[in-house]
Amino acid sequence: GQQLNQSPQSMFIQEGEDVSMNCTSSSIFNTWLWYKQDPGEGPVLLIALYKAGELTSNGRLTAQFGITRKDSFLNISASIPSDVGIYFCAGPPTSSNTGKLIFGQGTTLQVKP
Amino acid sequence: DAGVTQSPTHLIKTRGQQVTLRCSPKSGHDTVSWYQQALGQGPQFIFQYYEEEERQRGNFPDRFSGHQFPNYSSELNVNALLLGDSALYLCASSHKAIPTNEKLFFGSGTQLSVL
Repeated sequence: GQQLNQSPQSMFIQEGEDVSMNCTSSSIFNTWLWYKQDPGEGPVLLIALYKAGELTSNGRLTAQFGITRKDSFLNISASIPSDVGIYFCAGPPTSSNTGKLIFGQGTTLQVKP
Repeated sequence: DAGVTQSPTHLIKTRGQQVTLRCSPKSGHDTVSWYQQALGQGPQFIFQYYEEEERQRGNFPDRFSGHQFPNYSSELNVNALLLGDSALYLCASSHKAIPTNEKLFFGSGTQLSVL
């Protein structure tokens, strides 16, 4: 089945630094989603991407839908302590249109004040 | 406006037992999806319910079953628990009339520990 691979697995950065993480797949996705999960909570949607090459921002977050449709990246600028959490990429499998998402294994972000 | 609510928040069971987890969708939503999130992993799709029927199913054995009630709330049942069933179980709600996957809202989950 379709899989998503995220890298890096974890990051430990200084407050104020920029962060970049990515997500790749061996197969095409038509939608890319980026979620953040805080401890003890469910994932919360950060950014949704629908078109190859699309670049979308949400505050200090910027994400891009890769041209090949097989990758996406998420950048966080000027990180702050509340950026700590696990970031997941996700997408619907090509055989599904609602409700079913495939998630990557996550990138854990730690920010040192 | 209440979001997705799940109960209980934590649960401890022993191998072989059965468990029932509950979910109330966000107001206005009629579709419920269940996900299993093992420690250190991303969520994995179990199944989806709307109009009180299972509509899609992931790669999970028949020990995992569900139900949706007329008020759109849902239950996840797991029989003959195994140690490997220990995980965070997430419920996500949406409206089936909106066929875009980003309109999922997740609850905080039920942490199940099987001893």
